[in-house]
Formats: sequence, C-alpha cells, structure tokens
Amino acid sequence: SAVISQKPSRDICQRGTSLTIQCQVDSQVTMMFWYRQQPGQSLTLIATANQGSEATYESGFVIDKFPISRPNLTFSTLTVSNMSPEDSSIYLCSVGVGGADTQYFGPGTRLTVL
Amino acid sequence: AQTVTQSQPEMSVQEAETVTLSCTYDTSESDYYLFWYKQPPSRQMILVIRQEAYKQQNATENRFSVNFQKAAKSFSLKISDSQLGDAAMYFCAYRSTNSGGGADGLTFGKGTHLIIQP
Repeated sequence: SAVISQKPSRDICQRGTSLTIQCQVDSQVTMMFWYRQQPGQSLTLIATANQGSEATYESGFVIDKFPISRPNLTFSTLTVSNMSPEDSSIYLCSVGVGGADTQYFGPGTRLTVL
Repeated sequence: AQTVTQSQPEMSVQEAETVTLSCTYDTSESDYYLFWYKQPPSRQMILVIRQEAYKQQNATENRFSVNFQKAAKSFSLKISDSQLGDAAMYFCAYRSTNSGGGADGLTFGKGTHLIIQP
C-alpha cells in the first residue's frame, strides 16, 4: 500500500476564488488520480496525472477549471479555479500501486464554496 | 463505457450477523478488476477487497468475502460476524485492464450505507 496525505483537509472559500489542493505520497508512484465526491454522491474521476505527461481529463472536466501539476513521482496538485457553490465537494487523490492494479486513497479535502 | 450498479441504498444488520451487499456491472471487456471500498464518516476510502476477473476463485479477506459471478456480471460482498466498526458507506468499483486515458481510473457505484444494529 502507500501512505497518502492531502492538504488542506478542509477549506471554506468565497465564490470566484481558486484553491490548490496538494497530494503527497510516501513512495514513488507512476499513476495518480483525482476524484470528486459531491455531497451524498459517489466518486467521479476528474483526471489521471502521470509524471512526465499532461494530465488526461474525463468528460465534463476541463483543464482551465481543474489545472493539475505532477512535478515528480511523489507529489501532485489539483487547483479548483473560479469556484462556485457547485464546486462544494470532497476532492480525493489516489495512487496506483502494483502496476496501478489497485488504488489507495488520500484522506480527502472537504471544500465548501460560499 | 462501463457502469456499476448498487441497488441497495441502505442495509441494516444486527451485530455478529452476516450481511451481503449487491453489485452488478456492465462491460464488454473480458478482463478487468473489481473492488469494494469502505468509506466511514471520516470519509477515508479504505480498500476492503479486490478481485481479478480472470481468477475463478472468490477473494476473501478475513471476515470479508466476495461472490463473483462473471457470466452474470455480479460481484457481491459478504460480511460475516458484523461489527460496529463495519458501519460505513460501501462502494463497488470497476477498473479496466486497458491503459491510457481514463481507463486506469475507477468507475464507482452509488454506494450502500451499511448500518450495524447493536
């Protein structure tokens, strides 16, 4: 498995601002993923972030709204830009271990947009 | 695209009893991975069990076991000797064996809220 930390654990933000979420892993991993969990809902994949390449976004998610960085094999950031109340969610990063066959998740960031 | 269906929004079981959570999925692929994750109120996603589709033997992890029916595209989770700490949301998830794009990501069901009655 892997030990994954996320910062911040929660935040309350104003409409129109941006928030950058950090994800740190205790070992080098090729694949990192970002998911969104809207209130009372399941998890939806936002993008796949592999080191050395551009992030791949799922349908309904765009780079201008959710820019991602992956500067090395242990770290990634997700920015939620120009936030609106509809962006209020839990954002989770995960890493693929064992050839990405299995994913382990960070503790999540609870974002509230007023 | 693959879909995962959990038809039980909520289940309740007496402590020490056995409960089975249902999951069905739709895919045209012959090889893939299936997972059950647990999310307690802390919101941490915890891997419970995984199954490779090419393996006929059902996966087990202590009190947790699965009934994998590939032809029926069914993947249920059985929890034996239920404990209060098992109370959580349980999500069934699918992962393709293909690579690239979003294929490496997980597709989740909507979840089942498991209540343990003391």
